[in-house]
Amino acid sequence: QVTLRESGPALVKPTQTLTLTCTFSGFSLSTSGMCVSWIRQPPGKALEWLALIDWDDDKYYSTSLKTRLTISKDTSKNQVVLTMTNMDPVDTATYYCARGRSPFDYWGQGTLVTVSS
Amino acid sequence: QSVLTQPPSVSGAPGQRVTISCTGSSSNIGAGYDVHWYQQLPGTAPKLLIYGNSNRPSGVPDRFSGSKSGTSASLAITGLQAEDEADYYCQSYDSSLSGHWVFGGGTKLTVL
Repeated sequence: QVTLRESGPALVKPTQTLTLTCTFSGFSLSTSGMCVSWIRQPPGKALEWLALIDWDDDKYYSTSLKTRLTISKDTSKNQVVLTMTNMDPVDTATYYCARGRSPFDYWGQGTLVTVSS
Repeated sequence: QSVLTQPPSVSGAPGQRVTISCTGSSSNIGAGYDVHWYQQLPGTAPKLLIYGNSNRPSGVPDRFSGSKSGTSASLAITGLQAEDEADYYCQSYDSSLSGHWVFGGGTKLTVL
């Protein structure tokens, strides 16, 4: 059974760095072809893909956000970490991690991050 | 502005058939990249509904079907039920310089 769960702060201040952790089970990121992505959704708005890391440690970032994003993995802990620097109120969103690259076949429940002073 | 264009809303009565369109371009759907569809029920995470243009994951009713032609794709729902009321998103890959994995703007389905 594949599960993913996001964790991290619910509230961050403007200019701070956000660190989110995706802890997963039911698959291994050391298996060829496996990937984990981060996707966000501002309140009432559409989904936006942010970053992806694959089993070979290749990393891909949203062009518009790549200067602010870093994705990494800890295969032994079954975790993927996303950091986003210089947070702004427009970054307020529910952040999801999901397995796969296209399609995203399993999703976590999401974690709402609010950016406010 | 989403790379893939969907109508903001569609509606239908129980039992009816509705379709949701997803229009892309030559750098995504038109380039041959697969289209996938997700259903997001209120207050929940998206769920994969259709993958590879027209395939249903295990457990998805055959009332849901997908198709793709040229630079567009469509999701059809037949025998509309109250529990189908949700947001639906299409997703593909974009090969332009600014692209990667892209979503449509989402369509709110209302069951009348």
